[in-house]
Amino acid sequence: DIQMTQSPSSLSASVGDRVTITCRASQDISTYLAWFQQKPGKAPKSLIFAASSLQNGVPSKFSGSGSGTDFTLTISSLQPEDFATYYCQQYNSFPLTFGQGTKLEIK
Amino acid sequence: EVQLLESGGNLIEPGGSLTLSCAASGYRFSSYAMSWVRQAPGKGLEWVSGITDSGRNTYYADSVKGRFTISRDNSKNTLYLQMNSLTKDDTAVYYCAKAFSSWRQNFDYWGQGTLVTVSS
Repeated sequence: DIQMTQSPSSLSASVGDRVTITCRASQDISTYLAWFQQKPGKAPKSLIFAASSLQNGVPSKFSGSGSGTDFTLTISSLQPEDFATYYCQQYNSFPLTFGQGTKLEIK
Repeated sequence: EVQLLESGGNLIEPGGSLTLSCAASGYRFSSYAMSWVRQAPGKGLEWVSGITDSGRNTYYADSVKGRFTISRDNSKNTLYLQMNSLTKDDTAVYYCAKAFSSWRQNFDYWGQGTLVTVSS
């Protein structure tokens, strides 16, 4: 199975900050990498697919990069609604696997 | 508008069985792969099972293989998850997720989830 490791596990930031979350795969997954946002008590929301492509309706403040084993999610100009938990997920091969999540909190 | 509506979650005793449903609308259901993803209380996301557009190919996490069965009825626009031999470790919110491919499980839409509680 492909292990996905996110860092950091938690992150404190202020409104207006720019933050970066990293995700590392235990083996090459090309660009078969997605990012999701989840708020407490809500379903996940798809943000990015193919490592760097924005889902329809997702604002351009979110951006993704990477290929192979190392990936990043960057969120610019944080707003209150961006504070949530973020997950990466590989869909290169079964079983699909998620990172453990990064909780983004307001400083 | 794409909508995914899960149902069937309940309180069930260990060893019991339960079937979850996910009713899809707003798109051509038969053209896209689907998956079930669960989240135990206070924990992260765990992929459970996936199925291709036609239903011909199915995939399972090791944790549920042999106990859970995924299926779909494209005439009813509905995805199912038959769960047998349930244990406390299966307690979770179960989400269905739509892929935007016929076979590769790259998700674009998620349902709101249905809660399964396994307890005596």
